[in-house]
Amino acid sequence: AQKITQTQPGMFVQEKEAVTLDCTYDTSDPSYGLFWYKQPSSGEMIFLIYQGSYDQQNATEGRYSLNFQKARKSANLVISASQLGDSAMYFCAMREIGGGADGLTFGKGTHLIIQP
Amino acid sequence: DTAVSQTPKYLVTQMGNDKSIKCEQNLGHDTMYWYKQDSKKFLKIMFSYNNKELIINETVPNRFSPKSPDKAHLNLHINSLELGDSAVYFCASSHRGSYNEQFFGPGTRLTVL
Repeated sequence: AQKITQTQPGMFVQEKEAVTLDCTYDTSDPSYGLFWYKQPSSGEMIFLIYQGSYDQQNATEGRYSLNFQKARKSANLVISASQLGDSAMYFCAMREIGGGADGLTFGKGTHLIIQP
Repeated sequence: DTAVSQTPKYLVTQMGNDKSIKCEQNLGHDTMYWYKQDSKKFLKIMFSYNNKELIINETVPNRFSPKSPDKAHLNLHINSLELGDSAVYFCASSHRGSYNEQFFGPGTRLTVL
């Protein structure tokens, strides 16, 4: 079973609109972290935002916010006022503090294209 | 200052060859990782390593071996390269067992002919 599911392979959004990228996760570990990374066409992996499983409030970083719904096991990324430079692949990832290779488990990504 | 660096950025080689990719981090992290990104952009952990423990993803062939001369370096050595090894390989680092983000290197695009 997939641990991280991103159901939107691709999205087209008009510039200046808000965008929600979906992410659901599956874990039995009570301690985990959820991350979003951006990968532009140049290829580098850029960290955007983090949410811990025990955090009471949703994380925010500038135009990025994470809509964390623990009971639903979802961690959607919201980008407000989208810009042309937001066009990229976006990956949701989880880190389970307790087992495996202690690395990040990634979803398959969402290719976001911002249109002028 | 580059936080996590990798060399080379591009690597083109023949099947059957042995090659290495170097990774260095200057962030003082105690754990380093290697990830593989396939042609469909899927990223998968290969190894995590700190100065005490190597953890290997069970799906990684034993032709792949990480080598760490010191805490700041984790090189990836690949023996007997196969066509299916063609991918982008990312090195990353973080503090072990914490919730901090992992910092990624720029990636190495490996093409096996």
